[in-house]
Amino acid sequence: DQQVKQNSPSLSVQEGRISILNCDYTNSMFDYFLWYKKYPAEGPTFLISISSIKDKNEDGRFTVFLNKSAKHLSLHIVPSQPGDSAVYFCAASGDSGTYKYIFGTGTRLKVLA
Amino acid sequence: SAVISQKPSRDICQRGTSLTIQCQVDSQVTMMFWYRQQPGQSLTLIATANQGSEATYESGFVIDKFPISRPNLTFSTLTVSNMSPEDSSIYLCSVGRWGETQYFGPGTRLLVL
Repeated sequence: DQQVKQNSPSLSVQEGRISILNCDYTNSMFDYFLWYKKYPAEGPTFLISISSIKDKNEDGRFTVFLNKSAKHLSLHIVPSQPGDSAVYFCAASGDSGTYKYIFGTGTRLKVLA
Repeated sequence: SAVISQKPSRDICQRGTSLTIQCQVDSQVTMMFWYRQQPGQSLTLIATANQGSEATYESGFVIDKFPISRPNLTFSTLTVSNMSPEDSSIYLCSVGRWGETQYFGPGTRLLVL
C-alpha cells in the first residue's frame, strides 16, 4: 500500500517557467511533509518542509502548498533553472507520533534551457 | 544540518558474500536511519539505529540479513549479509533529532552479481 504517491514520474519545463510537482497521501495522521531533491550519485538533499498546521511555506524560489482536505501537496519552483533538474521526492511523517518518513517514488524534473 | 559520509561509495560484490557500510557524522545525533533505494523505486526505511539500544527494523527487514551497529553518537554500520542480486540498491544513512528534518548521506551504490 503506497501511502505517499507521486503520480508523475517525469516532468519537463522550460527555463524561467514554473515547475509544479505533485504529491498525494492517504494517511490522515501524517502531520509533517517534506520535499527532497536528489542528483545522480548523491544522497537526497532537504529542500523545504511544511507542518499540517500551515497550508503554505515559502523559501526563495520554492513554495510548498498543503491541501489537507484533499490530502495533496505540491512544490512550486519559480522561476525554474537548469540546475533544478533532479529527482524530487516528497515524504510524510507523523503517523502515530513516529519520526519515520514515508517517501513517494519521485518525479524527475528536467528544466530545458 | 550535519555532514555525513559513507564508505564505500560503491561496490560490486559476489552473491553469497557480505558487505559492511559505514556512516560517519560530524556531530552527535540521537537517531540514525538506514534506507534502501532499489532501482526505480522510492526510499524505503530499513531500520532505526539509536545509540545504546538494538536497532528497530521495519516490516520486511530482519536483523540476520541487515545487522546494524551503533557504537556511539556519530557512527553506525549496516551489513548486507549473504547477498543476492536482489540486494543491488543504493543504501543511504540519514540522521535526525526528534521532530527535526532528517539529513542524508551520499549513499552507497551496491551491485551484486
